[in-house]
Formats: sequence, C-alpha cells, structure tokens
Amino acid sequence: EDKVVQSPLSLVVHEGDTVTLNCSYEVTNFRSLLWYKQEKKAPTFLFMLTSSGIEKKSGRLSSILDKKELFSILNITATQTGDSAIYLCAVGEYGNKLVFGAGTILRVKS
Amino acid sequence: EAGVAQSPRYKIIEKRQSVAFWCNPISGHATLYWYQQILGQGPKLLIQFQNNGVVDDSQLPKDRFSAERLKGVDSTLKIQPAKLEDSAVYLCASSPGRYGRGDQAFFGQGTRLTVV
Repeated sequence: EDKVVQSPLSLVVHEGDTVTLNCSYEVTNFRSLLWYKQEKKAPTFLFMLTSSGIEKKSGRLSSILDKKELFSILNITATQTGDSAIYLCAVGEYGNKLVFGAGTILRVKS
Repeated sequence: EAGVAQSPRYKIIEKRQSVAFWCNPISGHATLYWYQQILGQGPKLLIQFQNNGVVDDSQLPKDRFSAERLKGVDSTLKIQPAKLEDSAVYLCASSPGRYGRGDQAFFGQGTRLTVV
C-alpha cells in the first residue's frame, strides 16, 4: 500500500526561527513529490520535485528531494506568523495519482 | 485563468439524509479528483477521473457514495444516506492530466459537510 509519512505532526515556533518539515514515502510508481500549504480549506501549491538533489527555492521556502532515501524536506527560514498553516506533502504517481500525507501543523508565534 | 469552482461551501444535514456536491474544474484539465479531508488528517482520495472515465475509486464507499463526470467536464459527488463519520471537508482538484508527467493539482475551496 502506498504510504506518505510526514513529521513532525505539529510544531510551534517563534517568529524568526527556521523550521524543517519532513516527508518520507513508499509508493509503487513514483513520478514527483509535491508540497502544498493549507491555510483554510484549499491547499495551495508550493513546489514540485522530480529530481534528486536539486533544491527548489521560493523566497524563504526551499525544498529538496532524495530519491535514494525516499524523502523530502521543506525548509522555512525567518518564519513569520503568516507561515502558520498545515503543510501537506503528496506523491504523484504514474496515471496522475496523488497520495497525501497527514500534514504538519505549523504555528508561528509572534 | 479561473480556478476550480465548488459548491456549496457549507452544508449541514441530518444523518440518513442525502447530499450532493458540485465541482467545475479548470478548463481543459483532463484529470479530476475528489478528496475527503477529516479534521486533523490529510486529504484522502475518494475518486479520480481521467476525462469522463474512472481511474481509481478504490477508497470510495460505494454503498453510500457515488460520483459522475458527464461529458468529461464538471462533476458531482453524492452521499446517500449520510453518516456522522462523513463530516469532513470535500475537496475537488483538477490537473492537466498529461500522463506520466506528475502534474500538480489545483484545488477548489472545498465544501465543509457537517452531519448531525
């Protein structure tokens, strides 16, 4: 059975801290790994990773994939209260299947 | 570009009643997904369509849930009869559906269902 595991399940930090969120996976036909941010109801896309070792960056957020060890990390530097959200990791498989992890709840305190 | 449209945004029903949700994907997107997200959990795939064909409905409780995507565009998800444990946010998403490309999915605002 396909599995996507995220850790930690929840995290509380202070503004300015750096956080690292983890995602490990076991799937049959891996094609991509995606990160989403969910603030209210609709998850919004952050990154899609398909190649190992190539870091993707967007402002204070960055992510990298290790296809040998089957995991990815999402880093957020200089956190702000607006970063408070649920961060979802999903694995895309052949046939456009998308399997999600349970998410990491991040709360940034001012 | 218009996003994924869902309606209604909220619904409260009594157990054993029926309910239907509607989704209009981004124009031209071949793949449409329905996910169920229970509070504190990640989205769980209920059904995936490629155009108007079902690709995966292995986690759809078929005794009470049904979904269709007529003409390969918009879709409806129905629950009949509803149970208390169906209380969740129902998310619709779509992607271009280029086979094997691992495209990102775009999500609608979701429908929050409360069964009392």
